[in-house]
Amino acid sequence: DAGITQSPRHKVTETGTPVTLRCHQTENHRYMYWYRQDPGHGLRLIHYSYGVKDTDKGEVSDGYSVSRSKTEDFLLTLESATSSQTSVYFCAISELRQGVTGELFFGEGSRLTVL
Amino acid sequence: TQLLEQSPQFLSIQEGENLTVYCNSSSVFSSLQWYRQEPGEGPVLLVTVVTGGEVKKLKRLTFQFGDARKDSSLHITAAQPGDTGLYLCAGGSQAGTALIFGKGTTLSVSS
Repeated sequence: DAGITQSPRHKVTETGTPVTLRCHQTENHRYMYWYRQDPGHGLRLIHYSYGVKDTDKGEVSDGYSVSRSKTEDFLLTLESATSSQTSVYFCAISELRQGVTGELFFGEGSRLTVL
Repeated sequence: TQLLEQSPQFLSIQEGENLTVYCNSSSVFSSLQWYRQEPGEGPVLLVTVVTGGEVKKLKRLTFQFGDARKDSSLHITAAQPGDTGLYLCAGGSQAGTALIFGKGTTLSVSS
């Protein structure tokens, strides 16, 4: 199994509070991603990183920020959590394979509930 | 914005039946991946297809990439209860960009 861990695995917070989710990898993969998964919506990309301090927005980036100061860590921050951000968040890592995005290895997910 | 339409959204069948899941887009993808996800876990890769018209087989699962690289299908022969899960297709465009996922097909196989 790919060495990728997410923390915390479960969190309950109140509207308006800041929340940070951490993704840590031991595979030295260049690319890291944050997706959220909601019923009926599948996996939607929030932000991704293609190197240290290199990040880009995904389709649902509003209300989220990310940081990658080291290859192994990718942080997702909700500056002021809202109930619409209640979701399961997945981190994933990958490398290029034959010029295309290779297999995504996913963490076990972080379930966030915003009351 | 690239979109991947997956159908059907839900599928409930009996053990031994065959089924096909479709993944369609108006966009061309450089690669297409299929994942399977079980409750409480992250998705796990089943297969990657990169060439138009490519067919790959994984035991009872057959994956096909459309000639124009805009669509793909997953066919399961003689489904078993162990095939139950969420099946996701994901398309990649430019190298290094993030994959776009379809909304998934929830498959339930009963014995």
